[in-house]
Amino acid sequence: NAGVTQTPKFQVLKTGQSMTLQCAQDMNHEYMSWYRQDPGMGLRLIHYSVGAGITDQGEVPNGYNVSRSTTEDFPLRLLSAAPSQTSVYFCASSSNSRGEQYFGPGTRLTVT
Amino acid sequence: AQKITQTQPGMFVQEKEAVTLDCTYDTSDPSYGLFWYKQPSSGEMIFLIYQGSYDQQNATEGRYSLNFQKARKSANLVISASQLGDSAMYFCAMRGVQGAQKLVFGQGTRLTINP
Repeated sequence: NAGVTQTPKFQVLKTGQSMTLQCAQDMNHEYMSWYRQDPGMGLRLIHYSVGAGITDQGEVPNGYNVSRSTTEDFPLRLLSAAPSQTSVYFCASSSNSRGEQYFGPGTRLTVT
Repeated sequence: AQKITQTQPGMFVQEKEAVTLDCTYDTSDPSYGLFWYKQPSSGEMIFLIYQGSYDQQNATEGRYSLNFQKARKSANLVISASQLGDSAMYFCAMRGVQGAQKLVFGQGTRLTINP
């Protein structure tokens, strides 16, 4: 049982490049979310999904797109990378029972 | 809007002592949940404990307990008999009525356990 997996673990981009961070879960959870963690700060919600085909914006959505075509997968797309998007990105999933989220190992992204 | 405040940027505790990490919250939702997560130096986020706003008793999970004082809007984490492996960042988080997919996090407390 892999839980929540994220790829890649590390990525360096140049300003203006685009890329997709992958996230998959095998727990059949309805809810999935993307967070970013900046140094010395807690996690901030980027986008979330309450089920396949349904997504919505979180606290810091600008510069990111998401889609959810299956229950298992929830990719995060950076449209045109900026240095301000240098961060650690966490994907998480949860069921509806209590709401504790299970996190992936994170992707450390550097934009130069 | 929901807000979590963790006022202790860092704490230093001797091994085997108990430690309390503070968390206060603000919400207008009638129903909400409170969580604590541990983030060791390796970076992963580990769920520790959950408290529902209507739970009558304080939550406990092994050496972790949550001191929930609803009137004061506080949800402090208590770690009993601390161990060197408890050294990590600890985050308090909450969800509101909108559900499980949206957590609001505090800024965290870095706990260091000294031998």
